[in-house]
Amino acid sequence: GENVEQHPSTLSVQEGDSAVIKCTYSDSASNYFPWYKQELGKRPQLIIDIRSNVGEKKDQRIAVTLNKTAKHFSLHITETQPEDSAVYFCARLDSSYKLIFGSGTRLLVRP
Amino acid sequence: DVKVTQSSRYLVKRTGEKVFLECVQDMDHENMFWYRQDPGLGLRLIYFSYDVKMKEKGDIPEGYSVSREKKERFSLILESASTNQTSMYLCASSDTGREGSYEQYFGPGTRLTVT
Repeated sequence: GENVEQHPSTLSVQEGDSAVIKCTYSDSASNYFPWYKQELGKRPQLIIDIRSNVGEKKDQRIAVTLNKTAKHFSLHITETQPEDSAVYFCARLDSSYKLIFGSGTRLLVRP
Repeated sequence: DVKVTQSSRYLVKRTGEKVFLECVQDMDHENMFWYRQDPGLGLRLIYFSYDVKMKEKGDIPEGYSVSREKKERFSLILESASTNQTSMYLCASSDTGREGSYEQYFGPGTRLTVT
């Protein structure tokens, strides 16, 4: 499948600051974009997702924005806390209903 | 809660051995997936299955095969293990997308080392 580019690969922020992770894709037919969080030694888990009929979705301190024209979507975490430290993966759903994952972003929140 | 289990958390095998990785899900999901996870490469799809006895190649199927004889069980087989198959292997399952849900539920992973 066509790749999803994810940046940055690592991100270090001070506790309380915001963190932003961005992903870009090229398949304009994609219409579902989830974000997974993988804490150290644990399995990836879905934290938020967005569909192509909306531009933004929020859930407490996390939000995802989608720009279908530019083919990019971003994860925003506000008021970061040490427990936000993890690897975050973006993904897109392809036409065969498979998820194509980005390469991941390791987020470190410094106390 | 959805539960996806994998047969082993850690496995050490020798080059040339045949390796079986088992995955079981208890939510009656139609779809099951096998990924390998390597640093800096994200989650790469090896094989997936949309139904019993059905299988489709993912992005990196070479050196692997799969079996799905029962709906709840999806097995990954390394016919002749090689050192470049040392990796973390993750199984996942999902529903068919009814009610717009495409969430994949992951197992705990099997860290395989081939020496």
